[in-house]
Amino acid sequence: KAGVTQTPRYLIKTRGQQVTLSCSPISGHRSVSWYQQTPGQGLQFLFEYFSETQRNKGNFPGRFSGRQFSNSRSEMNVSTLELGDSALYLCASSSGLAGALGTQYFGPGTRLTVL
Amino acid sequence: EDKVVQSPLSLVVHEGDTVTLNCSYEVTNFRSLLWYKQEKKAPTFLFMLTSSGIEKKSGRLSSILDKKELFSILNITATQTGDSAVYLCAVEALNTGTASKLTFGTGTRLQVTL
Repeated sequence: KAGVTQTPRYLIKTRGQQVTLSCSPISGHRSVSWYQQTPGQGLQFLFEYFSETQRNKGNFPGRFSGRQFSNSRSEMNVSTLELGDSALYLCASSSGLAGALGTQYFGPGTRLTVL
Repeated sequence: EDKVVQSPLSLVVHEGDTVTLNCSYEVTNFRSLLWYKQEKKAPTFLFMLTSSGIEKKSGRLSSILDKKELFSILNITATQTGDSAVYLCAVEALNTGTASKLTFGTGTRLQVTL
């Protein structure tokens, strides 16, 4: 079974630009969660999607948004980039049934650098 | 706000040593506690614990949960250099309605030297 894939793996943007990251979950998984990882803050939850609906959202500003498609693939968008958005963005998939996340499997991440 | 605290933040041991990593938590509507190992990029799953007092074991790694005292430990015996990584503890808790979210600790960085 193929693992979670994320594209692109690396991105360099400048302040004020916007960026879209993509995540393809493990086949059969309907839940996709997004996390931001920085050296100072560790892994922080952004949001979770299940069957095209956002089920949960972390404490991030509205510049961070996402969506999920009918094939469970998910995208995350960050608008008006700030220097502090430089981070490793990880997505994770799981079955997500009965509202539980259970065991999440992580993708390799997208390293975003904002200059 | 849900909180997960790991200790120590980092440690250096010699190959063959046994280490114990700690994770304490304060969450509302606990569902499960998970341990992950992160070497370079993607965290890889180690254990999921839902019941108190039942040890989960995989080779040289084992973990146990105490739901009364709100903590978990991860033990690694006969450490090897390949065990060098950041070990993350995460707690799943019911957040809104019937949906859960994971809160991660900041991790314990383990370095195993020859």
